[in-house]
Amino acid sequence: QKEVEQNSGPLSVPEGAIASLNCTYSDRGSQSFFWYRQYSGKSPELIMFIYSNGDKEDGRFTAQLNKASQYVSLLIRDSQPSDSATYLCAVGPPYSGAGSYQLTFGKGTKLSVIP
Amino acid sequence: EADIYQTPRYLVIGTGKKITLECSQTMGHDKMYWYQQDPGMELHLIHYSYGVNSTEKGDLSSESTVSRIRTEHFPLTLESARPSHTSQYLCASTGGPEAFFGQGTRLTVV
Repeated sequence: QKEVEQNSGPLSVPEGAIASLNCTYSDRGSQSFFWYRQYSGKSPELIMFIYSNGDKEDGRFTAQLNKASQYVSLLIRDSQPSDSATYLCAVGPPYSGAGSYQLTFGKGTKLSVIP
Repeated sequence: EADIYQTPRYLVIGTGKKITLECSQTMGHDKMYWYQQDPGMELHLIHYSYGVNSTEKGDLSSESTVSRIRTEHFPLTLESARPSHTSQYLCASTGGPEAFFGQGTRLTVV
């Protein structure tokens, strides 16, 4: 049974602070890692992906991956009230094109950025 | 931006009615998925397809059925809607490692 674990929160941070969201996964064969943002009542939106160990930065977002520890995180710098949402961690097996492929989603962490 | 569309966005329907939720994508993706999500709860995979004429049931048991006659189209059907089917239904597709979601259909069965 593949599992992706996230702290459900809510995680509250003041505006302008760094929000740190964490995720652990059970399948050591996982190769692709994603962060989705989901506003209340809306569908998930892909905001970051990372495939290699280390850090990947995109604007105010930084994804960090440590495959040895089976840990992936998302840092949001200069947090804004508009960042308030649920953040879903998703983990995928190696992608080969044809054949089966499914992402395993965590339950999500609810982030509240307080003005 | 992903081109995956779901209709209707909102649907209120009476118990016992047959309904079809539409999902179409213009990206040529082979793999498509249906998820069910109650408010504030996790995503549950209910159906998936890896290509035309390929459909499988997901992790969560569902009374719905799906079909995949064309690559771009992956409709979900409930033969007889019940209040327990009230939920948000999300369609997704992948052409590479990442998945893209449609806007979702919020279904209410009264």
